[in-house]
Amino acid sequence: ETGVTQTPRHLVMGMTNKKSLKCEQHLGHNAMYWYKQSAKKPLELMFVYSLEERVENNSVPSRFSPECPNSSHLFLHLHTLQPEDSALYLCASSPGEGYEQYFGPGTRLTVT
Amino acid sequence: QKEVEQNSGPLSVPEGAIASLNCTYSDRGSQSFFWYRQYSGKSPELIMSIYSNGDKEDGRFTAQLNKASQYVSLLIRDSQPSDSATYLCAVSRDDKIIFGKGTRLHILP
Repeated sequence: ETGVTQTPRHLVMGMTNKKSLKCEQHLGHNAMYWYKQSAKKPLELMFVYSLEERVENNSVPSRFSPECPNSSHLFLHLHTLQPEDSALYLCASSPGEGYEQYFGPGTRLTVT
Repeated sequence: QKEVEQNSGPLSVPEGAIASLNCTYSDRGSQSFFWYRQYSGKSPELIMSIYSNGDKEDGRFTAQLNKASQYVSLLIRDSQPSDSATYLCAVSRDDKIIFGKGTRLHILP
């Protein structure tokens, strides 16, 4: 595997389900990010991790819970989501904060 | 509020012509500048980085930076239908990177 990978690529979940999104970077980077992108809308930064520590949380609802167990892996745990949470969820990594970011292919999430 | 501004478009350009995409930013201390291309339903892909005033060329792409005027632009020469996408400008200072909302580019065959 190279670059940034994300699984699953597509996810359909009900509002009462619990699921997790996984991101893995093979670039040796120190920073990782979660973004949300709704249809025809700009990127919304959700969380930033630098050296496995959360350094930014952009007022994201608690039904989204990030986890960064090491510098290569990032998870986004989802529970009791709403239909308006349906979007493309993008993971990115960078050598450090403020450097160029490399994006994974994204997870297309649909909440029913 | 530090901002990155882009015209949302769509910008329509005939095939073979030069497409010119512009971006302005508000933070005069910005240090690094990036252009990303995003096809519909796909993730953003980094296509150019520029850090100092002037032009930087990579194949059909040229990034131009003018820090005094606080703008950065992307020129695409010999535009192809495959260049039709949304182009995101991103600007960083220290440990923060801010993305613009993107410009939709449509290359007319």
